[in-house]
This record gives sequence, C-alpha cells and structure tokens, in this order.
Amino acid sequence: SQTIHQWPATLVQPVGSPLSLECTVEGTSNPNLYWYRQAAGRGLQLLFYSVGIGQISSEVPQNLSASRPQDRQFILSSKKLLLSDSGFYLCAWSPGAYQETQYFGPGTRLLVL
Amino acid sequence: KNQVEQSPQSLIILEGKNCTLQCNYTVSPFSNLRWYKQDTGRGPVSLTIMTFSENTKSNGRYTATLDADTKQSSLHITASQLSDSASYICVVRSPSNYQLIWGAGTKLIIKP
Repeated sequence: SQTIHQWPATLVQPVGSPLSLECTVEGTSNPNLYWYRQAAGRGLQLLFYSVGIGQISSEVPQNLSASRPQDRQFILSSKKLLLSDSGFYLCAWSPGAYQETQYFGPGTRLLVL
Repeated sequence: KNQVEQSPQSLIILEGKNCTLQCNYTVSPFSNLRWYKQDTGRGPVSLTIMTFSENTKSNGRYTATLDADTKQSSLHITASQLSDSASYICVVRSPSNYQLIWGAGTKLIIKP
C-alpha cells in the first residue's frame, strides 16, 4: 500500500532563517506531487506541483521554492522565512496526470516568530 | 473568478443528530466535485466524488448531492458520531488545469 510521510511535524523558526520541509511517498512510482499551505480558516492554497523529477510548477509567487530530486521525494524550501509563511503545510500525491484523488500527508505546522 | 463558498462556517450538533453542509461554486467549466474530511492537525481525506452527470453519492453515513444547474452541492451526515467532528471541505475541479478550487471548509463539532 502507498504511504506518504512528512517531517518535521511541527517547526518553530525565527524570521529570516532558512526552511526545508521534506515529503516522501512509498509504494508507488511516478506520482504527481503537491505542496499546499493552509492558513487558519482558509481553504488550501496550492503552492507547487510536480509531474516528474525536476519538473516543478509554481502556482503562487512567493519566497518559497520546491525541488524534486528523486521520483518520490518532494522538498519545500525557503532561504529567508517571513512571518507570513506561518501555516500548516501539506504534501499530497496522486497516482497520475489524470487521477485526481489526492492523498495527503500528516502535515507540518510551521510557526515563524 | 472560480470560487467555492461553504456554509455554515462552523456547526455544533448533538451526537446522533443529522446535519447538512452546503457548498456553492462558480467554477466553470466544471469537471467534478469532491468532499474531503479533515481531522484537526491532519491532512484531508476524500469522502466522495461526483461528476456533473451525477446528483447523489453515498459513503456510509455521508451522502453528497450535486445540482450542476444551480452549482450547489450538499453533504448530509446521518446519525452523527463523535468521530465526525472535523472540517468538511468542498473541492471543485475545472478540466482546464491541474488546480483544484478548495473551499474554506465547515468546522463540525459533535457534542455528546
């Protein structure tokens, strides 16, 4: 069966510090991968999606970036965090380009102080 | 602008009661509509999916309805249980891109 992992579960970082959140998927090959951010009381906001290694599409201009160094690994990064980067970050995968059911990881709660 | 609006924002009901959550959308063209359940501090989990040609879909005590003409959907929960306490999110997909349009969710609290 397929599983998706995210870490860390929670993170408290000072403003201006770098960020690296990691997401890995097991039990499937060539998944579509997604990074979302969820602010309190708001809908999920798609940040990045990837259909293959090294292929990243950005949906929202910001100081975040994403990379996919391996088929089942998706990394969300920032060189300098802003206060507004605080939120709940969710990684998700879907089986293929036209398979729309997305399966979500447990999330990372980020607090920037 | 493609939008998904959900109501109410939050709802408290007693265990064993039924409830109905609403979703209105302006997404066009429309491919499908999903309801997700998100437990606090966890990722969302898909409950139902309906295409424009379907007007009802059930998953246990959850029944979703869709009226593609009025662009409205509802999620009905029967005989609520404490474990139903969660946020319920309506998500609409347009066939024109990879994006899903997510509603802000309805926070449902079931009290004993």
